[in-house]
Amino acid sequence: AQKITQTQPGMFVQEKEAVTLDCTYDTSDPSYGLFWYKQPSSGEMIFLIYQGSYDQQNATEGRYSLNFQKARKSANLVISASQLGDSAMYFCAMREGLDSGAGSYQLTFGKGTKLSVIP
Amino acid sequence: DSGVTQTPKHLITATGQRVTLRCSPRSGDLSVYWYQQSLDQGLQFLIQYYNGEERAKGNILERFSAQQFPDLHSELNLSSLELGDSALYFCASSVALGVFDEQYFGPGTRLTVT
Repeated sequence: AQKITQTQPGMFVQEKEAVTLDCTYDTSDPSYGLFWYKQPSSGEMIFLIYQGSYDQQNATEGRYSLNFQKARKSANLVISASQLGDSAMYFCAMREGLDSGAGSYQLTFGKGTKLSVIP
Repeated sequence: DSGVTQTPKHLITATGQRVTLRCSPRSGDLSVYWYQQSLDQGLQFLIQYYNGEERAKGNILERFSAQQFPDLHSELNLSSLELGDSALYFCASSVALGVFDEQYFGPGTRLTVT
């Protein structure tokens, strides 16, 4: 089973409107982190926002917010007031911890959602 | 700018050759990760080092190897290159090994094998 599922291969949004990018995850570990990265056409991976499994409140970073629904195992990214520069690939990723405290904590990525902002 | 540097930015080489990709983590970060991004496989974890020691291996081929040096920079060595090794190779770093530590990515090295 895939650990990170992004069901929207591509999305369009009108400039200045809000958009939600979906992400569901699968883990049995109680300690995990969820991350969103943006990859513009230039190729670099830009860290956007992070949510820890024990965080009580949804994470926010400027125009980015993470709608974290733990029981449903979803961590959707909400971008408010979309800008043309938001056009990019967006990746959801998870990092799992092990109860023993050991582990490598590498990121497991979803397949990404390509967001296109329309003027 | 994430603070993670990677060189070279682009690399074009022939099948059967060997290349070395270099990564310098952010100042103070002890953990380095290597990822491969290809069209068919997506983003995949290859290998991780922490303070000079290998911590975990992912989907890394035997033809590939890596190391982290005392100054914490890391190198990924790819040998006997095949066409399918063409990909974007990312290095990422984090402060330590905490599950909640953010990983910051370098700009990547785009490898083209012809």
